[in-house]
Amino acid sequence: DAGITQSPRHKVTETGTPVTLRCHQTENHRYMYWYRQDPGHGLRLIHYSYGVKDTDKGEVSDGYSVSRSKTEDFLLTLESATSSQTSVYFCAMESGQGENQPQHFGDGTRLSIL
Amino acid sequence: AQKITQTQPGMFVQEKEAVTLDCTYDTSDPSYGLFWYKQPSSGEMIFLIYQGSYDQQNATEGRYSLNFQKARKSANLVISASQLGDSAMYFCAMRGQLGATGNQFYFGTGTSLTVIP
Repeated sequence: DAGITQSPRHKVTETGTPVTLRCHQTENHRYMYWYRQDPGHGLRLIHYSYGVKDTDKGEVSDGYSVSRSKTEDFLLTLESATSSQTSVYFCAMESGQGENQPQHFGDGTRLSIL
Repeated sequence: AQKITQTQPGMFVQEKEAVTLDCTYDTSDPSYGLFWYKQPSSGEMIFLIYQGSYDQQNATEGRYSLNFQKARKSANLVISASQLGDSAMYFCAMRGQLGATGNQFYFGTGTSLTVIP
């Protein structure tokens, strides 16, 4: 989706290092989400945000933190990366203006932790 | 608890034939939405179709239709006249009642569809 971008698209790092993934949207949408995708698990919610400085935990939040200081940016931080956090990470946004509104996803970040 | 189940890890279909991808769900919310997404090998998530729990008619979007059976808690995706470009992973997702603090989507584990020429 052209209105939401993730950076970096690929990253390789070492166990124990901090990692920050960025999600940027240009749609002024209120809601933003971070998911991880692993084989056999589909997409699982890590954290989400319902406004600037308003965030909450999802299903698999351990080891992750988020921040949203501006409407357009939602950052995901792995405080001390572990090999179990090797995954594909997706950011999504949603207007929240109707029950039929889908979440729109960024193109994903492939993160490998060695 | 909200749960989405996709029991077909992989499916094959002949080009130009129709195919049904199964999805069942479980929720206690009185109002909810069901969504299907396509993920081609390039990795992006593409929204296909939406069905609201109170919609009387099955949703359709071009070659995609959703066979919604509320009593059975199923929301199967039907793709008509399959094309080679339909080869992808397909995810069923459910959103519970719209809320002020978030609208969590619950995803199934996906079905990998391969269209055979």
